[in-house]
Amino acid sequence: GQNIDQPTEMTATEGAIVQINCTYQTSGFNGLFWYQQHAGEAPTFLSYNVLDGLEEKGRFSSFLSRSKGYSYLLLKELQMKDSASYLCAVYTNAGKSTFGDGTTLTVKP
Amino acid sequence: GAGVSQSPSNKVTEKGKDVELRCDPISGHTALYWYRQSLGQGLEFLIYFQGNSAPDKSGLPSDRFSAERTGGSVSTLTIQRTQQEDSAVYLCASRTSSGPGEQYFGPGTRLTVT
Repeated sequence: GQNIDQPTEMTATEGAIVQINCTYQTSGFNGLFWYQQHAGEAPTFLSYNVLDGLEEKGRFSSFLSRSKGYSYLLLKELQMKDSASYLCAVYTNAGKSTFGDGTTLTVKP
Repeated sequence: GAGVSQSPSNKVTEKGKDVELRCDPISGHTALYWYRQSLGQGLEFLIYFQGNSAPDKSGLPSDRFSAERTGGSVSTLTIQRTQQEDSAVYLCASRTSSGPGEQYFGPGTRLTVT
């Protein structure tokens, strides 16, 4: 089976940097995705990592270490609109994807 | 272009009734997923279709749940004899066959069983 862990809640200040961690255990790993979900809305894609290392995309970066079963999402220059739930999802080579329970980020002024 | 669409957007049903939820994926997307999300929770995988392959039904919580995908496009999730614990938002997502690839989500169907 697959097991994905991420913190339930985080709080950060506008303009700051926040790192959301995700650890996973899976067989047939074939990629890790991060999605953003605002309350009452569907998830939207942020980034994904297949190989080890850092992927940067504007204010958002995601890191993966396959040997450690670890990823993080880094959000820079936080804005109030970044308050949302951030979902880590593991994709297997069978095509199945499993989501973590999400981290609710609250950005305060 | 058109995204993933789902219908109905909201469904209220009485306990014991059957419901059908529909998903129209993005044209050309061969992979289709159904998830369930209870209030404040993460996404629970239900079923995955990929092209003409047999679907991965490993996430269906009971035999009251079934899904089909006709012509490799539209999918229907059916819940028979609904129970109150079935109340949740049911999300559909699709992606291209070349993986791994991002999933595009529909707006969801909010199901309430009274």
